[in-house]
Amino acid sequence: GAVVSQHPSRVICKSGTSVKIECRSLDFQATTMFWYRQFPKQSLMLMATSNEGSKATYEQGVEKDKFLINHASLTLSTLTVTSAHPEDSSFYICSALRGLEEKLFFGSGTQLSVL
Amino acid sequence: AQSVTQLDSHVSVSEGTPVLLRCNYSSSYSPSLFWYVQHPNKGLQLLLKYTSAATLVKGINGFEAEFKKSETSFHLTKPSAHMSDAAEYFCVVSLYNQGGKLIFGQGTELSVKP
Repeated sequence: GAVVSQHPSRVICKSGTSVKIECRSLDFQATTMFWYRQFPKQSLMLMATSNEGSKATYEQGVEKDKFLINHASLTLSTLTVTSAHPEDSSFYICSALRGLEEKLFFGSGTQLSVL
Repeated sequence: AQSVTQLDSHVSVSEGTPVLLRCNYSSSYSPSLFWYVQHPNKGLQLLLKYTSAATLVKGINGFEAEFKKSETSFHLTKPSAHMSDAAEYFCVVSLYNQGGKLIFGQGTELSVKP
C-alpha cells in the first residue's frame, strides 16, 4: 500500500528556535498534502492545505507566518514552525492525497515539544 | 456546513463483548464518511469509508458501520472486542467537492478490559 513518511517522529527544541517537519509520499505523487495539529486527548484540526507549486491555503486562525509550508515537489511537503514557543507543542500529522481516486494516506505524526 | 459529532468521549468494554462507537453527522450534501483509528503517538489508519454505495460498510479488523440517513448517523460496531482494539477512534466527514479535506469528530477513546 501507499506509504507516507513523516520525519522526525519526535523533536524537542528550545523556545525561539525553528523546527522543520517533512512529509514524503514514498511511492506516489501527491499534488495535495494536508497538515493537521492535534492537542493531547483532542481531535485533529486541519491547519492548511499544501499544493505543489503554489502557496498553501491556511485555515482560519492559523498563522501563515508562524507555520511555513513548502510543497516544492510532488513527493515532499514541509512544515516549518518558526520561532517556536511552548504553546506550539503539539502532535502534527500530515496526509497526502493520491490520484484521481482521492485516497488519503497519513504520516505517522511528529510530536513537537518546545521547552 | 458539514460536521460530525461523536457522542461518547470514552467507551469501555470487556474483551469479547460488542463495541459500539456513536457518530452523528451534519451535511447539506450526501456525505462521504470515514472512521479512522489512532494508536498512541501514531498516525491514522483508515478503518472504513462510506461513499454512497452500500449503507452497511465493512472495514478492517472486523469493524463495520451503517449509514442511516434518517438518523444522520454512522455508528461503528464490532461484534467482539479484542485487547488490540484499544485506541482512539475518529469519525470523519469529507468536505463536499474539496477532495481530501477532512473534518474530524472529537474522538472516542476505546478501552478494552481483560
